[in-house]
Amino acid sequence: DGGITQSPKYLFRKEGQNVTLSCEQNLNHDAMYWYRQDPGQGLRLIYYSQIVNDFQKGDIAEGYSVSREKKESFPLTVTSAQKNPTAFYLCASAGLFGNTIYFGEGSWLTVV
Amino acid sequence: ELKVEQNPLFLSMQEGKNYTIYCNYSTTSDRLYWYRQDPGKSLESLFVLLSNGAVKQEGRLMASLDTKARLSTLHITAAVHDLSATYFCAVDPNNNDMRFGAGTRLTVKP
Repeated sequence: DGGITQSPKYLFRKEGQNVTLSCEQNLNHDAMYWYRQDPGQGLRLIYYSQIVNDFQKGDIAEGYSVSREKKESFPLTVTSAQKNPTAFYLCASAGLFGNTIYFGEGSWLTVV
Repeated sequence: ELKVEQNPLFLSMQEGKNYTIYCNYSTTSDRLYWYRQDPGKSLESLFVLLSNGAVKQEGRLMASLDTKARLSTLHITAAVHDLSATYFCAVDPNNNDMRFGAGTRLTVKP
């Protein structure tokens, strides 16, 4: 089935550790995104990429890093510089023009 | 800075009643999206509005877009409990850097 796969669904991080969230899509979409959602809040854009080997910062990029080495993959690393990383992380993808953005099932990250 | 504002943020309705959720945005955009999110779940696409005056309907939900007023509405007709969820609008003025409103948490009571 076509879709967006995020893993892991649940992740616990110790303070000072980097963690990487995986996002893979088989929809042949050019654009991919990472959003953060805090409980009871809206979505905030972390990073986005419109083409392989290129990506742009969103509104809250500090403490995060991404790569886009392959069209189908857009992993997000939450670094130790992100002081409050506990949140729900959503990956999404879209075709280039006027198309709906499709979301993965999300990853819950908790700092312990 | 692009702002996307929804109101109300919280909405409690009786079953069978009608209501409208509003979405205002601060910059020109010909594209507006509505999504639904159930607790602990991802976002489900409801509507994509691609031009001024666009109106789309699905079941008890109808969305419209006025690009001149920078306003979209999501109208709920004869609400039922299954519509209880959080509804988000989003705009994409620069093509592929979508920004979301804060969401409207809808509760439909019997």
